[in-house]
Amino acid sequence: DTGVSQDPRHKITKRGQNVTFRCDPISEHNRLYWYRQTLGQGPEFLTYFQNEAQLEKSRLLSDRFSAERPKGSFSTLEIQRTEQGDSAMYLCASSLAQGGFTEAFFGQGTRLTVV
Amino acid sequence: AQTVTQSQPEMSVQEAETVTLSCTYDTSESDYYLFWYKQPPSRQMILVIRQEAYKQQNATENRFSVNFQKAAKSFSLKISDSQLGDAAMYFCASRSNYQLIWGAGTKLIIKP
Repeated sequence: DTGVSQDPRHKITKRGQNVTFRCDPISEHNRLYWYRQTLGQGPEFLTYFQNEAQLEKSRLLSDRFSAERPKGSFSTLEIQRTEQGDSAMYLCASSLAQGGFTEAFFGQGTRLTVV
Repeated sequence: AQTVTQSQPEMSVQEAETVTLSCTYDTSESDYYLFWYKQPPSRQMILVIRQEAYKQQNATENRFSVNFQKAAKSFSLKISDSQLGDAAMYFCASRSNYQLIWGAGTKLIIKP
């Protein structure tokens, strides 16, 4: 396993279209996180899964955003009716839940451009 | 709400010299973690160093060390013997429950 994998790396879409991103975490990791990073800013938390359960969602995650993690493996993040303000880097991270500190490993991100 | 502030948008340092990146945070929690992450251009976020709030001893990882001042809510990163490969965005972050709260980042430039 070479780490957290995200697909696609880049996506250009027209305003109003739907897009879906995929994240494959490190295989034994049961926690998965989605973050959004706009240019010149640090990442902002979007949502978090433990196994297949979505345990926390940010208020940033409007009704147009939905995330799933079927069977507790890969995850998808869908944005419906994209807007120009959705243009950002979408980062996925995973970690292994165990006692004490657990390091989150990040993927390279999906850069979304809405034109 | 937790906040993390990095007041230096950009820093530069001569290769082999030492540089310190600043970070302040605010939290109401008594038990928390603080982190420095590195994000090279077009590469993924990499954990550089972490600090548990309950530990008084400052964390050290090879050329990277932190100055953790809990009362002042300050968490600076010192990079010794700077190398060209250290050039990147550096983000300070704190952990609240399961999510990371991030600063805006500091761009570190290494001058050869």
